[in-house]
Amino acid sequence: GAVVSQHPSRVICKSGTSVKIECRSLDFQATTMFWYRQFPKKSLMLMATSNEGSKATYEQGVEKDKFLINHASLTLSTLTVTSAHPEDSSFYICSAERTGTGTFNEQFFGPGTRLTVL
Amino acid sequence: AQSVTQLDSQVPVFEEAPVELRCNYSSSVSVYLFWYVQYPNQGLQLLLKYLSGSTLVKGINGFEAEFNKSQTSFHLRKPSVHISDTAEYFCAANTGNQFYFGTGTSLTVIP
Repeated sequence: GAVVSQHPSRVICKSGTSVKIECRSLDFQATTMFWYRQFPKKSLMLMATSNEGSKATYEQGVEKDKFLINHASLTLSTLTVTSAHPEDSSFYICSAERTGTGTFNEQFFGPGTRLTVL
Repeated sequence: AQSVTQLDSQVPVFEEAPVELRCNYSSSVSVYLFWYVQYPNQGLQLLLKYLSGSTLVKGINGFEAEFNKSQTSFHLRKPSVHISDTAEYFCAANTGNQFYFGTGTSLTVIP
């Protein structure tokens, strides 16, 4: 099956610093990757769609200057939380879309990254 | 806009009893449906999916779900649960490229 990894799995940082989270598709190429944030109430919220070689598309209400997304290759997308604050503490999950033969391209999810901002 | 509703936020059930986790979706277009399981501090693991074809879908760990277009439902069932099934379960709909997740159902299996 398709495997998606995230690094780091956990990160603790001080308020005001920046944190970079990597999302990699290990055994397939992903033109499109997605970044989600999971809130304490457990629901997943789509933050942005990352397309290789172009700018990410952000969902309404997501600050693109705060959550920088770079999709420089077909197997790697990064999310950088700039000037992190305690309210940015959350569980961040990425997914990578694998091109299928039919009308649906399946997404595979990474294991998530727990960010804690002190 | 699409939406996915999981009416039950918590479902306690005794070990070896059957369980049904409910999911309803709203969509005016064709939709693909999924159930994911999430264990503490882990990502999402696909249980099963409905893309087309037979409306009864069988997944991993003995779970199955039935797509009911007239009722816009995709309920998840298991005839006999185990302690290891204790986890968070998410129903999700995809209309082509974007996922819409339900708020999740916490399944607790009681010994």
